Formats: sequence, C-alpha cells, structure tokens
Amino acid sequence: DIQLTQSPSFLSASVGDRVTITCRASQGSSNSLAWYQQKPGKAPKVLIYGVSILQSGVPSRFTGRGSGTEFTLTISSLQPEDFATYYCQYLDTWPFTFGPGTTVDIK
Amino acid sequence: EVQLVESGGGLVQPGGSLRLSCVASGFSFSTNSMDWVRQAPGKGLEWLSYITGSSTKYYADSVRGRFTISRDNGKNSLYLQMNNLRLEDTGIYYCAKDEGTSGFDVWGQGTLVTVSS
Repeated sequence: DIQLTQSPSFLSASVGDRVTITCRASQGSSNSLAWYQQKPGKAPKVLIYGVSILQSGVPSRFTGRGSGTEFTLTISSLQPEDFATYYCQYLDTWPFTFGPGTTVDIK
Repeated sequence: EVQLVESGGGLVQPGGSLRLSCVASGFSFSTNSMDWVRQAPGKGLEWLSYITGSSTKYYADSVRGRFTISRDNGKNSLYLQMNNLRLEDTGIYYCAKDEGTSGFDVWGQGTLVTVSS
C-alpha cells in the first residue's frame, strides 16, 4: 500500500502570504492525487484532483503540482477563508489513503 | 441539489454493533461508486470502504472482517454495518460520492459514532 506524508504538519501564516504544502508518496504514484480542504466541524471539500486540475468553483489562487513521489499544493495569496486543514489523497487504487493533514493557522 | 445525508450514529458499548445509512439525492446513485471515511476526534481522515454501483467492495485493513458496506440502489441508499466495535472506532463517519481519479466530490455532513463503556 502507498503511504502518504505531508509537510509541514502545521504552519502559521498571514493573510496575503504564499504557502506551499508538500505531500510525499512512499512509492511512485500515477497522477491520481487529490487535495482536500477541511474546516472545523465541516466535511472535507475537494480542491484539486489529477495533481493539478482545479475543482469547479475553487479559486485560482490554489495550484497543484508534482509527479512521481512528490506533490505540492500552493496558495498564492492566503485569504481569511483559507485557514483550514489540508489533506492529500491517493486515488489510483484502493486503499484510497489520505495524508495526515496540514493545518494552516493565522499568525 | 446533490446531497448525501448520513444517519445511524450513536453511543454503543465495545463489542456492539451499529448500522449507518447514507441517503443520496440529486445524482444517479446507482451508477456511482461510494465510500465511507471516518475521522477520530482531533485526528485526520481515514478511508474505510468502497463500493461500486454493481457492489464490488474493498475495505481498509483496520475494518476488514468487522465492517460491511452495502447499497440499495432502489432506495438511493448506502450502508455500513459495523460489528465488534472497538474504542478506536469512535469518530465521525462520512459517506462520499466517488468520482474515481477526480476525487470524492460530494460528502455528507457526517454522523458521530461513540464507542464507550
């Protein structure tokens, strides 16, 4: 099974900052990598799938990149509504593992 | 409106059973694969189980042999039968619409399962 790690686990940032979250897979992955945003008390929401394809309605300040075993989610200019926890997920085949999450908090 | 609504959570003793339900609306349920995902208190997301429209099923190692996923396409409903529950099964359980490599694009609001003596 593929294992996913995320770094950092926690980051503190200010509105307007550029932030990047990294997701690493234990073995080479296809392009079946998605990113989710979860706010406290809410269900997760898919932001990006296929490594870099923006889900409909997601702001363009979110960008996904990567290949092989290393993938990134970048928020170009952090907005107040972006403070949340972000998870990557492997979707090529079961188990559809999630990364452990990265919490983006207000500095 | 595309919607998933879970129910069936509650308080159960270790070793007990519970059946979760998820009712779908606003999309062609019978042709969509579906998943169950849980989140322990203060923890991350854990994928549990997957079922195709024709009821091919997969499970995470942590629940295989104890949990059973099923669906009733005539009732637009997804189920998770949970047996031999453990303390570590406590958490919020979500059902999700599975769009394959496009990710889980619709989620329910979650239902809380608490396993405690």
